[in-house]
Amino acid sequence: GEDVEQSLFLSVREGDSSVINCTYTDSSSTYLYWYKQEPGAGLQLLTYIFSNMDMKQDQRLTVLLNKKDKHLSLRIADTQTGDSAIYFCAEGDLNTGFQKLVFGTGTRLLVSP
Amino acid sequence: EAGVAQSPRYKIIEKRQSVAFWCNPISGHATLYWYQQILGQGPKLLIQFQNNGVVDDSQLPKDRFSAERLKGVDSTLKIQPAKLEDSAVYLCASSLDQDSNYGYTFGSGTRLTVV
Repeated sequence: GEDVEQSLFLSVREGDSSVINCTYTDSSSTYLYWYKQEPGAGLQLLTYIFSNMDMKQDQRLTVLLNKKDKHLSLRIADTQTGDSAIYFCAEGDLNTGFQKLVFGTGTRLLVSP
Repeated sequence: EAGVAQSPRYKIIEKRQSVAFWCNPISGHATLYWYQQILGQGPKLLIQFQNNGVVDDSQLPKDRFSAERLKGVDSTLKIQPAKLEDSAVYLCASSLDQDSNYGYTFGSGTRLTVV
């Protein structure tokens, strides 16, 4: 079955870059996603990458995909205190014929002033 | 565009009681999902609807959980009877269709505490 793993916690100082890592197991995944969850809120889609790409940049966010190692990372440049949240990596599973997202356990990012 | 609406925001019940959650997806979204998020974990899919039909309920504990999506719009998720381990946030999400590759839009969730 699918399995998505993330480190649990990351602490950085404001202005630094943050790198959140994720590994996944399903090689048939076509899309990989990063979601952000703030306290008491639902999940907000930050960005996604198609599996035939190895990098995608969107303003302060850079996603790197190493398909051979099944490793995905999210880099946040110039991290701000407002970036403090839980970040979930998710893979799109099409094995059932329908799009289904399988989420990792989440990485809690703490940004200190 | 209005987001995915869920109610109630919070619910506290005793074990063995029943509870129901409601979700109104984004207008025009054919696919609706219910996820369970236990504290400290990522969301886990419970059930997926395409219009008013179920396409995946393989992880729904059918002895106590049920869900319906009448008329292919709003959906309700019910737990009867609740157990302590059902304490979680129940997230509803919707997408344009079952092949949408651009992620889902999630509601704010219903936080259930079973005591």
